[in-house]
Amino acid sequence: DGGITQSPKYLFRKEGQNVTLSCEQNLNHDAMYWYRQDPGQGLRLIYYSQIVNDFQKGDIAEGYSVSREKKESFPLTVTSAQKNPTAFYLCASSDRGPTYTQYFGPGTRLTVL
Amino acid sequence: AQSVSQHNHHVILSEAASLELGCNYSYGGTVNLFWYVQYPGQHLQLLLKYFSGDPLVKGIKGFEAEFIKSKFSFNLRKPSVQWSDTAEYFCAVKTNQAGTALIFGKGTTLSVSS
Repeated sequence: DGGITQSPKYLFRKEGQNVTLSCEQNLNHDAMYWYRQDPGQGLRLIYYSQIVNDFQKGDIAEGYSVSREKKESFPLTVTSAQKNPTAFYLCASSDRGPTYTQYFGPGTRLTVL
Repeated sequence: AQSVSQHNHHVILSEAASLELGCNYSYGGTVNLFWYVQYPGQHLQLLLKYFSGDPLVKGIKGFEAEFIKSKFSFNLRKPSVQWSDTAEYFCAVKTNQAGTALIFGKGTTLSVSS
């Protein structure tokens, strides 16, 4: 069953703690992405990676970090430097062919207390 | 900077009414255009996309969108909405500026009453 999995679905952390969100895909896609969704703000790009061991900052990368050691995995760490980390985080992946389409995971809702 | 504007934040319709959601983008070069839908409690999923060719594209569930290059627009339409179309709709654009990443609009919430 192909797709993108994100875990956990809900995550609670205390202020000042780093937290890592998991994203795994078995679609054999080269590219992966992290977006943040806030009410009335749409989706904003945090980081993206087009190939293993390479990634680029998106529009709101401050306070976040990523790694891409394996094609299937693109974990996102929300650090204590992120001023307002409570949000819904969406991971996506895509191929790089001419009919490129991004597929999304179910998301992780992070609440920082 | 490139951006995507969705004109309506919240649209309320009765079943069988026609729908048109506006989307405009700011980028002068070649674009690929997408509409995604997020039903309550579900994944974000692709409704339709435009890459090239016929500017009128048809998607799933009876939705269609028209790319008008001169107006930098990609409006979403459906002739007759159903209660099950209640969802949040996002327009997105891919340019040559950020690899394969998408730029999303802020979304339009559609509420359909039966």
